[in-house]
Amino acid sequence: DGGITQSPKYLFRKEGQNVTLSCEQNLNHDAMYWYRQDPGQGLRLIYYSQIVNDFQKGDIAEGYSVSREKKESFPLTVTSAQKNPTAFYLCASSRLAGGRRSYNEQFFGPGTRLTVL
Amino acid sequence: KQEVTQIPAALSVPEGENLVLNCSFTDSAIYNLQWFRQDPGKGLTSLLLIQSSQREQTSGRLNASLDKSSGRSTLYIAASQPGDSATYLCAVRPVGETSGSRLTFGEGTQLTVNP
Repeated sequence: DGGITQSPKYLFRKEGQNVTLSCEQNLNHDAMYWYRQDPGQGLRLIYYSQIVNDFQKGDIAEGYSVSREKKESFPLTVTSAQKNPTAFYLCASSRLAGGRRSYNEQFFGPGTRLTVL
Repeated sequence: KQEVTQIPAALSVPEGENLVLNCSFTDSAIYNLQWFRQDPGKGLTSLLLIQSSQREQTSGRLNASLDKSSGRSTLYIAASQPGDSATYLCAVRPVGETSGSRLTFGEGTQLTVNP
């Protein structure tokens, strides 16, 4: 089955600890995204990547880091610099956007819930 | 800056009722608008995507319309069922985003369909 997988489903972090969330897709999509979802708020973009070895900051990148060494993988590291990391994290992918005629529907993974102890 | 608003924040209806969810956006310069469904604790499932040149899209009991000039979209659900209970989110892709396909999301409408 084609799709996006995220692991783990639940993650607990101690103060001062870095943790890495996994995101893998087998849809052959070029673009991948990380969003954060907090109760009562819409999704906010953390980082996105259009191509291997390249990525850009979204609206709330502080305290996070990413890498894109392979087309199918886009891991997110939540560093100790992120002061309020408890949230639901969603990974998404789409075909590369190439202008207004591009069909760039985004598909989402099942999410990872991160809790700070 | 593009802002997306969804009203109402929550809606409860009896089974079988037809209903409309609303989405408005402040900047009409968009490439497309996408409607999603989210079940509690789950990821988002794409329901419909409407390109800026389109007026509506249909999938089964769902119909989404787009009025770009007024900055509005509606999601119509016919003959609602308890299984339709979920949070529905809309998102727009603003024109001018030359990098990637970043979306701007509304906060969602939480729908409950009572048997």
